[in-house]
Amino acid sequence: DAGVIQSPRHEVTEMGQEVTLRCKPISGHDYLFWYRQTMMRGLELLIYFNNNVPIDDSGMPEDRFSAKMPNASFSTLKIQPSEPRDSAVYFCASTPTSVGGELFFGEGSRLTVL
Amino acid sequence: GQQVMQIPQYQHVQEGEDFTTYCNSSTTLSNIQWYKQRPGGHPVFLIQLVKSGEVKKQKRLTFQFGEAKKNSSLHITATQTTDVGTYFCAGWTGGGADGLTFGKGTHLIIQP
Repeated sequence: DAGVIQSPRHEVTEMGQEVTLRCKPISGHDYLFWYRQTMMRGLELLIYFNNNVPIDDSGMPEDRFSAKMPNASFSTLKIQPSEPRDSAVYFCASTPTSVGGELFFGEGSRLTVL
Repeated sequence: GQQVMQIPQYQHVQEGEDFTTYCNSSTTLSNIQWYKQRPGGHPVFLIQLVKSGEVKKQKRLTFQFGEAKKNSSLHITATQTTDVGTYFCAGWTGGGADGLTFGKGTHLIIQP
């Protein structure tokens, strides 16, 4: 199994630009999560999906952030317009059957907004 | 909301010394998970504890879940350079994924 696949691994962009991060969960996993990691705030849950349906997006910072999961094998996290404070590592994770179970993390997308 | 506090934030040890990180929740947990993140890497699941007072071992690592299910610890015996990284606890109160809260982690730095 290839694990959770994220792209891009690194993204450097200028303030105001649109950023799209992509994630392919492990096949057969029903839950997909987007986390943001910074030194100051640690790992923060942004949003999670169950069977492609967004369940809880209360962690999404503001309207500039949006996430979609058009099918079971693909999800995107979009930031428009990006700001320097969005600089962080964004992780996608999936789990097979229970939100309380083991999370399988992707390698992350390191975003730098200048 | 639920808070999970983890201490210490940083721990420097000499190779061969023991290491312990502690996790405390403001609410009773259904389970607690531990993850390890190597520098520049991603969190990798180590273990999950469910029962009150549970103790589990993985080679040199010992994990404990408190009797009240509000605290947990990870102890590493005789650290090795391969143990370098950040150790996170994640407490789950049940319900949805918003009930899973990560501590901020303990950064383990090992001096050879």
